[in-house]
Amino acid sequence: NAGVTQTPKFQVLKTGQSMTLQCAQDMNHEYMSWYRQDPGMGLRLIHYSVGAGITDQGEVPNGYNVSRSTTEDFPLRLLSAAPSQTSVYFCASSYTHPGVYGYTFGSGTRLTVV
Amino acid sequence: KNEVEQSPQNLTAQEGEFITINCSYSVGISALHWLQQHPGGGIVSLFMLSSGKKKHGRLIATINIQEKHSSLHITASHPRDSAVYICAVRVLRGNKLVFGAGTILRVKS
Repeated sequence: NAGVTQTPKFQVLKTGQSMTLQCAQDMNHEYMSWYRQDPGMGLRLIHYSVGAGITDQGEVPNGYNVSRSTTEDFPLRLLSAAPSQTSVYFCASSYTHPGVYGYTFGSGTRLTVV
Repeated sequence: KNEVEQSPQNLTAQEGEFITINCSYSVGISALHWLQQHPGGGIVSLFMLSSGKKKHGRLIATINIQEKHSSLHITASHPRDSAVYICAVRVLRGNKLVFGAGTILRVKS
């Protein structure tokens, strides 16, 4: 089992560029989510999905879009990158929301916006 | 004030010591998670608790729902336990996870 796969692991963007962070899971998890991790702060929820075709905003959604066309994939799109989006991004999934069996995290994407 | 507070923020221990990391929260929850994040960034789920106590190897997690407090204990600590330990609660309203800022643990040999 690959678990939760995030790509890329590292990315440098210029201000104003757009990009997509990929997240895929092979565990048939219904719930998928994106978090950002900033120094000295807990992980913060950006967007989440409780199943294919269903997405909702989390705590810090501005500047990000998501879609969930399949159970396996949950990409995060940065529309116009800003230095404030420099962060480490984690994708996480679970069998059900709110995660009766716990969460599985991807290995993270370290994004720098210059 | 954050909804989830962890203490201490940083902890250095000698190999073999008994370690305790604390987590307090201020909201109603349905479950509490302890996570481990190693240098290099990957996050691993250690425990999910809704009551009582769980044990896995040298790790023990307890929760007191009435006092809104949880502890993570590491017995016979080892340098490979060095990591960031994160407490997260699943809040009753909105069914979301709220994370603590983490405790940075360093175990010296």
